[in-house]
Amino acid sequence: QKEVEQNSGPLSVPEGAIASLNCTYSDRGSQSFFWYRQYSGKSPELIMSIYSNGDKEDGRFTAQLNKASQYVSLLIRDSQPSDSATYLCASPYMRFGAGTRLTVKP
Amino acid sequence: EAGVVQSPRYKIIEKKQPVAFWCNPISGHNTLYWYRQNLGQGPELLIRYENEEAVDDSQLPKDRFSAERLKGVDSTLKIQPAELGDSAVYLCASSSSRPGNEQFFGPGTRLTVL
Repeated sequence: QKEVEQNSGPLSVPEGAIASLNCTYSDRGSQSFFWYRQYSGKSPELIMSIYSNGDKEDGRFTAQLNKASQYVSLLIRDSQPSDSATYLCASPYMRFGAGTRLTVKP
Repeated sequence: EAGVVQSPRYKIIEKKQPVAFWCNPISGHNTLYWYRQNLGQGPELLIRYENEEAVDDSQLPKDRFSAERLKGVDSTLKIQPAELGDSAVYLCASSSSRPGNEQFFGPGTRLTVL
């Protein structure tokens, strides 16, 4: 079993909708997680980090961490075409999921 | 402030040839990472350095891959000999102090092995 699992999608949502991205992990000792965005042909860039159970909001982005269920999610509200990218979940030991490709259609 | 610098950006070699990638991290960043990313996959950690010490190289294929970070700054990743399956993008990233802090990625080196 991989340390971090993501539904590789792809996921397509209309502009203005909420995009929901999910990730599960196997290491119960993990205390924090990271969401990266990667545009095609570019390197990953950090968009959210979450260190405790519950929700963390930053603008249109909300990260959720549920340690009991070993589940991490990222919600993007009011999705924009510029949000179209691959979203990667990473554990604190820098094990990445396969990524979910998101397409936001105008 | 300059970002993470990698060179070369692209490399095409024939199988069985050696190849080396170079990375200069952001000034002051003690932690340096090398990743390999295949098309459609997430980055796979190859090795993590804290200063000049390799603290996580569990996923580095040690039969053909080697890395060094002399003086705890620049780093070099080498493959010898290269195989067809080594074709990928090799990413370097750096962060300050402990793992878990934000990583900044370089532009990557796209390796093609023919």
